[in-house]
Amino acid sequence: DGGITQSPKYLFRKEGQNVTLSCEQNLNHDAMYWYRQDPGQGLRLIYYSQIVNDFQKGDIAEGYSVSREKKESFPLTVTSAQKNPTAFYLCASSAGGASSYEQYFGPGTRLTVT
Amino acid sequence: GEDVEQSLFLSVREGDSSVINCTYTDSSSTYLYWYKQEPGAGLQLLTYIFSNMDMKQDQRLTVLLNKKDKHLSLRIADTQTGDSAIYFCAEREGGGNKLTFGTGTQLKVEL
Repeated sequence: DGGITQSPKYLFRKEGQNVTLSCEQNLNHDAMYWYRQDPGQGLRLIYYSQIVNDFQKGDIAEGYSVSREKKESFPLTVTSAQKNPTAFYLCASSAGGASSYEQYFGPGTRLTVT
Repeated sequence: GEDVEQSLFLSVREGDSSVINCTYTDSSSTYLYWYKQEPGAGLQLLTYIFSNMDMKQDQRLTVLLNKKDKHLSLRIADTQTGDSAIYFCAEREGGGNKLTFGTGTQLKVEL
């Protein structure tokens, strides 16, 4: 069964702690993405990676970091520098290339920082 | 940068048609998309339209694209309670893979 998994579904952390959100895909997709969703603001792109060992900042990368050491994995670290980290985080992947039109989404992780 | 706008809420009666509207600013958009998000879940692609088309129909869904006005709409015929969700439009810029999403429209279907 191909798809994208994100774990955990809910995550709670204290302010000042770094936290890493997991994203794994078995779709053999080259490109992966991290989005942040806040009520009334839609999805905003944090980071994306078009190929292993390469990634680019999206629109709101400050306070976040990523790695792409394996094709199937694209973990996101929310650092203590992120001023307002509480949000719903969505990971997505796509086959990449101009002919690929669809991004497939994981179920999301809701992060609450207190 | 690119900007995609949608109204935040829409309420319809079961059996009526729903029309969700979206405006965008990037004239180099190649694909435009409609995604559906149910509560607490990820996004599911509903349909998409290539920028050289002006209409696409897929069962109960009709997408209209007015490229001159940069306006995209999604019509859902015979709306059911299971259609209650947030609907996002998105545009794909030029030849890249990045998508820019709208704010989402919360569709509520009442009995």
